[in-house]
Amino acid sequence: KAGVTQTPRYLIKTRGQQVTLSCSPISGHRSVSWYQQTPGQGLQFLFEYFSETQRNKGNFPGRFSGRQFSNSRSEMNVSTLELGDSALYLCASSLRSDAQFRNTEAFFGQGTRLTVV
Amino acid sequence: EDKVVQSPLSLVVHEGDTVTLNCSYEVTNFRSLLWYKQEKKAPTFLFMLTSSGIEKKSGRLSSILDKKELSSILNITATQTGDSAIYLCAVEANTGTASKLTFGTGTRLQVTL
Repeated sequence: KAGVTQTPRYLIKTRGQQVTLSCSPISGHRSVSWYQQTPGQGLQFLFEYFSETQRNKGNFPGRFSGRQFSNSRSEMNVSTLELGDSALYLCASSLRSDAQFRNTEAFFGQGTRLTVV
Repeated sequence: EDKVVQSPLSLVVHEGDTVTLNCSYEVTNFRSLLWYKQEKKAPTFLFMLTSSGIEKKSGRLSSILDKKELSSILNITATQTGDSAIYLCAVEANTGTASKLTFGTGTRLQVTL
């Protein structure tokens, strides 16, 4: 069973540009969450998608957005990049039931290392 | 706002030592507490602890949830150099129709020969 796949693995962008990151969840997983990891802040929750709907959102500015497609693949977009957006962006997928919430673990991808110069 | 605090931030031990990592939390509508190991990039799942399963063990690793103290510990006995990693604690909380994971900043463990 393939794991969570994130592309690209590495990315260098300049300030003001925008970027789109992609995440393909484990087959059968319908929930996709995005996190930003920086040395000082640790893992910060960005948002979660389930069945193409955003269910949760963290405390990030509107420059950070995302979406989920019918095949559960998700994309995250950051517009007007700032130097502080340099981070490892991790995607996690999990098997969720929207009828009955069952505790389950999230499986992470390898992440996309974004550097803004 | 939900909060997860891990301690220590970093520690260095000799191979064979036993270590205890701490995680405390303040969340509304607690569901579960999870431990992850992050060696390079992708955190890998270790344990999930809930009200119905407050103690877990796997090989040299074990974890206990103290719901009264709102905390958890992760124990690693007979440490090996391969245990060197960042250990992340995360708490899952209900948010009405969904749930959310809040992570601590992690404990960086280095095991030396």
